[in-house]
Amino acid sequence: GAGVSQSPSNKVTEKGKDVELRCDPISGHTALYWYRQSLGQGLEFLIYFQGNSAPDKSGLPSDRFSAERTGGSVSTLTIQRTQQEDSAVYLCASSQGPTSGNTIYFGEGSWLTVV
Amino acid sequence: GEDVEQSLFLSVREGDSSVINCTYTDSSSTYLYWYKQEPGAGLQLLTYIFSNMDMKQDQRLTVLLNKKDKHLSLRIADTQTGDSAIYFCAEGLWSNGGALIFGKGTTLSVSS
Repeated sequence: GAGVSQSPSNKVTEKGKDVELRCDPISGHTALYWYRQSLGQGLEFLIYFQGNSAPDKSGLPSDRFSAERTGGSVSTLTIQRTQQEDSAVYLCASSQGPTSGNTIYFGEGSWLTVV
Repeated sequence: GEDVEQSLFLSVREGDSSVINCTYTDSSSTYLYWYKQEPGAGLQLLTYIFSNMDMKQDQRLTVLLNKKDKHLSLRIADTQTGDSAIYFCAEGLWSNGGALIFGKGTTLSVSS
C-alpha cells in the first residue's frame, strides 16, 4: 500500500480481555517496528522484525505481549489479559531494512483504551 | 543505555525562528531524525541527517549536528501557526535493526 496501515484505529476493551492489533507495512519494506506511546511517556520501542524473524523481544513490556509476522508482510501485536496500564497508542513503522535507516515511516496508530 | 533528551516545551511568535535542541548518547548512531506529531495524528518524518554530516537544509528546516557533543538541533525559519505540534528527536541504532530511540518530544506552541 501507499503507507503503513494499522487497524483498528481505535479500540476500547474491558480489563482482562485479549486484543489484537494489526499492521500492514509499506509494500516491499522488509523491516517492521512496533512502538507504544503513552500519555507523557514518549515513544517506547517494543519489537522489530526483519522479514518474519524478531531477533530481540526484550522490549516487550511483559509476557502478556506477543507479536508475530507472517509472509514477511502483515504483523499482529497481541495483548493478553489487558490491564489499564496497557492503554496507549500502539504505533507500527516499516522501512526497507536496517541499512536504510532514512526511510522509516509510521502508521497512524491504534488507540487502545482498557476500561 | 541509549537515551535521547529534549526540552519539553517551546513557545514562539509567528514569523520568528524556532530552535529545538536534542542530545543523544549513542556515538554509533548512524542516522538522526526529526519527526513531527500533530494532535491525534501519527508521526511524520520531517528530516534526517547522516552522522558524517554537520548540517542539512530543507526549505524552512535546518538541522545541525555536533557529533563531538552529541547535540542535534532543528531550526524552523519563519515559524507558522501550522507548525504547532510535538517534535521528536530520534537516533537510529543498528543493534536493533535500525529501530529508533526517541526523545520525549518538544511541544512547540506558535502564537499569532
